[in-house]
Amino acid sequence: DSGVTQTPKHLITATGQRVTLRCSPRSGDLSVYWYQQSLDQGLQFLIQYYNGEERAKGNILERFSAQQFPDLHSELNLSSLELGDSALYFCASSYPGTSSTDTQYFGPGTRLTVL
Amino acid sequence: SQQGEEDPQALSIQEGENATMNCSYKTSINNLQWYRQNSGRGLVHLILIRSNEREKHSGRLRVTLDTSKKSSSLLITASRAADTASYFCATAWDRGSTLGRLYFGRGTQLTVWP
Repeated sequence: DSGVTQTPKHLITATGQRVTLRCSPRSGDLSVYWYQQSLDQGLQFLIQYYNGEERAKGNILERFSAQQFPDLHSELNLSSLELGDSALYFCASSYPGTSSTDTQYFGPGTRLTVL
Repeated sequence: SQQGEEDPQALSIQEGENATMNCSYKTSINNLQWYRQNSGRGLVHLILIRSNEREKHSGRLRVTLDTSKKSSSLLITASRAADTASYFCATAWDRGSTLGRLYFGRGTQLTVWP
């Protein structure tokens, strides 16, 4: 158990819908990262938040947005869902998260299926 | 691309044998990391090797890094059935917009038969 929690574990929804994925980092970790894992693209970095502020942005679509709240939990919002958005979405956290040498601890993931 | 590429894509061995996985990359790096993923689960960090290091050990794991060839290898000695998982290399280049980011390869699926 990494100490990172993600909810829900599974999500099944229809095209065009909007969903919210939630992540609670390990206690004390300041940074949260979001990744998407699919058969087509592999494991892709989406976005990083550090202590409430966006720190780095990767291959995140404009239909997707994220935020980190004062209690450091984070949410990833996916809207206007398409079939191709079906994937495993992982959250990771680290302390402090200002360098790649800060070990990232991954949550168990949320499996999103868009029908 | 800054992503690493693992080779082979799949590896099947017997318990007790050694498993070697390779990772090649194309850009400069500050460090390279190996992660493990059990089927459909979250990734677990295994080991990090910095660009000025050539070899690192952790338990049954041995990682080498050759920056001149832009390649790394992960050796798991005396494999066990519980080592069955996908193994990913991730590269990092802590400069500007890539600061703190990891670029993952597609992974090697290791199967260890009892």
